[in-house]
Amino acid sequence: GEQVEQLPSSLIVQEGASVLINCSYTDSASVYFPWYKQEPGKRLQFIIDIRSNMERKQTQRLTLLFDKKTKHLSLHITATQPGDSAIYFCSASNDYGSSGNKLIFGIGTLLSVKP
Amino acid sequence: NAGVIQTPRHKVTGKGQEATLWCEPISGHSAVFWYRQTIVQGLEFLTYFRNQAPIDDSGMPKERFSAQMPNQSHSTLKIQSTQPQDSAVYLCASSVQGNERLFFGHGTKLSVL
Repeated sequence: GEQVEQLPSSLIVQEGASVLINCSYTDSASVYFPWYKQEPGKRLQFIIDIRSNMERKQTQRLTLLFDKKTKHLSLHITATQPGDSAIYFCSASNDYGSSGNKLIFGIGTLLSVKP
Repeated sequence: NAGVIQTPRHKVTGKGQEATLWCEPISGHSAVFWYRQTIVQGLEFLTYFRNQAPIDDSGMPKERFSAQMPNQSHSTLKIQSTQPQDSAVYLCASSVQGNERLFFGHGTKLSVL
């Protein structure tokens, strides 16, 4: 079955820095890749997604890059703020939309942003 | 909108006892997912309902775990004969349809002593 790996497992940065979180998957049938974040004591929340027919998606300070050939994604966060401190999860699925199936999640990347 | 509601927030059971976890999805959402979260294993998929019908239960330990969705306003996850390795945070999530933009509950932290 699908396996999703994330690197690094944790990182600490100063406020204002940019960070890159890498994600790789194994199943070439995966076509949908949403990312979620979990702030301390809060619910998991959706932050950004990309489909396999796209190479890049950007929303505010988040940029998600997708390379189908290498089965690799990277999430770039610019101008980090202490409020960005959270665990970031990459996930993959072999379908999306109304027939969308289960999401397989990576182990997560713990981001700590120091003021 | 209170979002996805899970009860109880914390449950402590003795080994061998039964645990029932409840989830109330967001009104109007047709998809409900259950996941289990631990430090070691991360987020593990358990089961998925669409329009109350079970779609995929491939993540459910077959012998002791069962899930139901008797109506559109709630789903239950039942664990029989709980074991210490069942200790985890059990998360329920719902979406308008399918797997896009899941809304997660706070989870139920199950501790099996």
